[in-house]
Amino acid sequence: GAGVSQSPRYKVAKRGQDVALRCDPISGHVSLFWYQQALGQGPEFLTYFQNEAQLDKSGLPSDRFFAERPEGSVSTLKIQRTQQEDSAVYLCASSLAGRVLYGYTFGSGTRLTVV
Amino acid sequence: RKEVEQDPGPFNVPEGATVAFNCTYSNSASQSFFWYRQDCRKEPKLLMSVYSSGNEDGRFTAQLNRASQYISLLIRDSKLSDSATYLCVVNTPGGGADGLTFGKGTHLIIQP
Repeated sequence: GAGVSQSPRYKVAKRGQDVALRCDPISGHVSLFWYQQALGQGPEFLTYFQNEAQLDKSGLPSDRFFAERPEGSVSTLKIQRTQQEDSAVYLCASSLAGRVLYGYTFGSGTRLTVV
Repeated sequence: RKEVEQDPGPFNVPEGATVAFNCTYSNSASQSFFWYRQDCRKEPKLLMSVYSSGNEDGRFTAQLNRASQYISLLIRDSKLSDSATYLCVVNTPGGGADGLTFGKGTHLIIQP
């Protein structure tokens, strides 16, 4: 596609519910990143894929968070047993190069509200 | 100390004025630097990369000072449409995330 596409755009989840957030990167982009942005904060790194390999998941806040990219294209971020502190915008970004040289292209994000 | 620090503002600036803000980074091994712009409830978008020699793009000038470990952004002849949050972004290869570290952003409000 022309840009990074994320769905859903908005998600309201009851505390304890599982959610799945989807990211469709720009076609051909090797690298895919997930970020979490809380209100009034900058984006915080969650995890990084190069093709289907998850090379870094050091930013995932707990074992309730899980990400996958099985075919090296679409990625899903799953949050189990959501908590109120998980409320944030989840941003996906992709880039052509394995190492960032020219910045990323972000999707519009998924705004998750846990009630 | 945070890896990337910015003054959150807000900076309230009259239209047509010049405004500048800085960002400091803690890791001297950082190699790539960027300014991103983020409008309210939108995703961050790359504004410009920051090169060692400094670079200019229209009304925007970015500078890098490696010795003091800061980057700056200067906006001349500011427009109402410049109102946004400006995120300072640093890439440190081998730093673990293999990605970018974002500052919290500087909120800029251009007033008519």
